[in-house]
Amino acid sequence: GAGVSQSPSNKVTEKGKDVELRCDPISGHTALYWYRQSLGQGLEFLIYFQGNSAPDKSGLPSDRFSAERTGGSVSTLTIQRTQQEDSAVYLCASSLGPPGGAYNEQFFGPGTRLTVL
Amino acid sequence: DQQVKQNSPSLSVQEGRISILNCDYTNSMFDYFLWYKKYPAEGPTFLISISSIKDKNEDGRFTVFLNKSAKHLSLHIVPSQPGDSAVYFCAASVGGSQGNLIFGKGTKLSVKP
Repeated sequence: GAGVSQSPSNKVTEKGKDVELRCDPISGHTALYWYRQSLGQGLEFLIYFQGNSAPDKSGLPSDRFSAERTGGSVSTLTIQRTQQEDSAVYLCASSLGPPGGAYNEQFFGPGTRLTVL
Repeated sequence: DQQVKQNSPSLSVQEGRISILNCDYTNSMFDYFLWYKKYPAEGPTFLISISSIKDKNEDGRFTVFLNKSAKHLSLHIVPSQPGDSAVYFCAASVGGSQGNLIFGKGTKLSVKP
């Protein structure tokens, strides 16, 4: 497919366990973003990767959250020692070029719904 | 502290009428604004955007208006169609090296036949 894909679509885990969420961006897109949407809230920025530059981690809510992007393509968001407040839909997006210009449009994946019991 | 606010969580409009979705922001550094549409169980999809150097951008049935002095933007959909029923998110960014979009909480639009 040509769009952004994410896996798994749903994840139920127990409090204290670690989880990994995967994002496959659109081929050729240099920028990749992670957001989360908690119930009744807007999309909250988490982290942004642009090419080979150091990622912008300013949105990560705690040091339990980390993300990596291997080979400038696939990204994995890891949440360690999950808490109930981590329950949310985690959305990945990619864009063709760096933001702020004509390529600012971000294409979103369908999201991963994480439920921490 | 919310930098992008969508104060109406929901809006109901009759098919064929105009839908007006509103968004306010507090950060005067924002220079790029976008609207996204989201259907249930899908990711948001880009709808329309506007740069702060403009006050209006039109694309078919969708028009976005920007009032910088009031730090307010709105999305007009005319005529509204039942397929427009979705959650609409307003987003803003600071251009250049900033990577993240700041989103509002969304407004759920229902267009009734």
